[in-house]
Amino acid sequence: EIVMTQSPATLSVSPGDRVILSCRASQNVNSNLAWFQQKSGQAPRLLIYGASTRATGIPPSFSGVGSGTEFTLTISSLQSEDFAVYYCQQYDNWPLTFGGGTKVEIK
Amino acid sequence: QVQLQESGARLVKSSETLSLTCSVSGGSVSPYYWSWIRQTPGKGLEWIGYIFYSGGTNYNSFLKSRVTISVAASRNEVSLKMTSVTAADTGLYYCVRHPSAMGAFDIWGQGTMVTVSS
Repeated sequence: EIVMTQSPATLSVSPGDRVILSCRASQNVNSNLAWFQQKSGQAPRLLIYGASTRATGIPPSFSGVGSGTEFTLTISSLQSEDFAVYYCQQYDNWPLTFGGGTKVEIK
Repeated sequence: QVQLQESGARLVKSSETLSLTCSVSGGSVSPYYWSWIRQTPGKGLEWIGYIFYSGGTNYNSFLKSRVTISVAASRNEVSLKMTSVTAADTGLYYCVRHPSAMGAFDIWGQGTMVTVSS
């Protein structure tokens, strides 16, 4: 099973800050990597797939890069609605696996 | 737009069977893949398994012997059955759509909380 490791576990930031979240895979997942945002009491929402392609309706303030084992999600200027937990997930190998999440909270 | 709604028993006794249904509205189960994913405090997000609209399945090995996912295309429904549940199966269960077997989960249901009691 591929283990997805996200860092940091928690990030305390201010609105307007640039935020960079990291995700590392225990083995090569090529570009088969997705990012999700989960707000309190809601289901996860797809942000990025294919490591760098924004899903429908996702603003350009969200961007993803990476391939192989190292990936990052950048939020260029954090808005109040962006405070949430972010998960990465690989879909290159079975079983499909998720990272433990990074909580982005208000400083 | 496509919406997914999970339903089923919220409280299940230990050793019994968990049964959930996902109703798809605003679209069809065809030609998509449909997964069940659960979220627990201890293990986070776990992929349980998927079914293709035509019936092919693939399960996570850690649950494979206890899980059955089925589809009723005429009713636009996908179902999950999990036998011999324990407290470790308590969690939030999501029905999720993906456009290919190994593809991103693009639409999620709101989730249903299932508690296993002793």
